Amino acid sequence: AQTVTQSQPEMSVQEAETVTLSCTYDTSESDYYLFWYKQPPSRQMILVIRQEAYKQQNATENRFSVNFQKAAKSFSLKISDSQLGDAAMYFCAYQGGSEKLVFGKGTKLTVNP
Amino acid sequence: GAVVSQHPSWVICKSGTSVKIECRSLDFQATTMFWYRQFPKQSLMLMATSNEGSKATYEQGVEKDKFLINHASLTLSTLTVTSAHPEDSSFYICSAPKTERDRASYEQYFGPGTRLTVT
Repeated sequence: AQTVTQSQPEMSVQEAETVTLSCTYDTSESDYYLFWYKQPPSRQMILVIRQEAYKQQNATENRFSVNFQKAAKSFSLKISDSQLGDAAMYFCAYQGGSEKLVFGKGTKLTVNP
Repeated sequence: GAVVSQHPSWVICKSGTSVKIECRSLDFQATTMFWYRQFPKQSLMLMATSNEGSKATYEQGVEKDKFLINHASLTLSTLTVTSAHPEDSSFYICSAPKTERDRASYEQYFGPGTRLTVT
């Protein structure tokens, strides 16, 4: 079975600084997707960024980028120029052929003004 | 982007009663929907996969007779918590995947969640 591990229960960053959230996963599949979701206090899940495993190029979305290391099964999220609105729970998720999402335990990000 | 709604957003029920939660895809058809449960300060745990026109598939450890799932149409899945008890109090979230024709774009769209409190 696939597993997703987020080793940082909590992280903090100063406003305007950069922070990196870690995620590793385990799978025997070769074709899959990886996601980072943000869950603010409203608890609505918001897609931050998506990476297709067959793409070597790291995905970027404005201030958010990933470092996808397929051989190492690592998928970290970098948030640049952190803003107060970035404060939330961040979940790394894996989705393979079954379409089921497997989530990590999450990282609570605090942004300090 | 696609929209998924849930109703109700918050429900309080008495122990022993049943409560139904609806999940609707508003602007796309969803042959598959997923139901998750999230306890406070924890991650989302997949409960079951809802399949339109067929029986739901439950994850290990989830009681299918307690959590009844019906996917009656391509836009609606319902989760009924039967004989609810205080330990069933949780946040329930649904999601529906949407795949573009060329599979270049894939995303799961999440409902806003339903907070269930059993007294």
